[in-house]
Amino acid sequence: DTGVSQNPRHKITKRGQNVTFRCDPISEHNRLYWYRQTLGQGPEFLTYFQNEAQLEKSRLLSDRFSAERPKGSFSTLEIQRTEQGDSAMYLCASSLSPRPHIPYNEQFFGPGTRLTVL
Amino acid sequence: GQQLNQSPQSMFIQEGEDVSMNCTSSSIFNTWLWYKQDPGEGPVLLIALYKAGELTSNGRLTAQFGITRKDSFLNISASIPSDVGIYFCAGSQGNLIFGKGTKLSVKP
Repeated sequence: DTGVSQNPRHKITKRGQNVTFRCDPISEHNRLYWYRQTLGQGPEFLTYFQNEAQLEKSRLLSDRFSAERPKGSFSTLEIQRTEQGDSAMYLCASSLSPRPHIPYNEQFFGPGTRLTVL
Repeated sequence: GQQLNQSPQSMFIQEGEDVSMNCTSSSIFNTWLWYKQDPGEGPVLLIALYKAGELTSNGRLTAQFGITRKDSFLNISASIPSDVGIYFCAGSQGNLIFGKGTKLSVKP
């Protein structure tokens, strides 16, 4: 399967614990995005990388959240000192980077990691 | 965060019916995309639109990029049971801004 993969698919944790999620993008995609989705809402942008550089962060990304993409391939999203309000589906997407005649705005999503904070 | 206005919020379909949904924004986008999401899964890209006025089809799905670049619609013709799910519009300014979704369910 050459799509975007995410691990784990589900995570249950107690308030105050740290959690880390992993995303493996489509192999030829330079851009990798993280989104958060709560029940009844569309996904909301958190941050994105082009290769290993983190180029944009949303105001939703509090200082308890950190994302990395050290080698420009897979990415991790860590949440420290989790709170009940962090419970959500965390989605990863990847796309090509901008070039003429390339559909770089087409983002392909992984299956998500469902986080439940008790 | 910013979200698009998507309507209707939900609708019931009977097999064979045509379905229409739309999305509006106060901002201009250079790309509109339509996704479908099944429960517990990530969104799946259905159609991408790149030019104002563009009309694009993907099987029974047809989508249009509004002339003002602030709206888009999606039509599904001759619906079938596997069309149920949540459909999201998204406008691109680099990262994607999503609507709240239109939930399609089968008429009881």
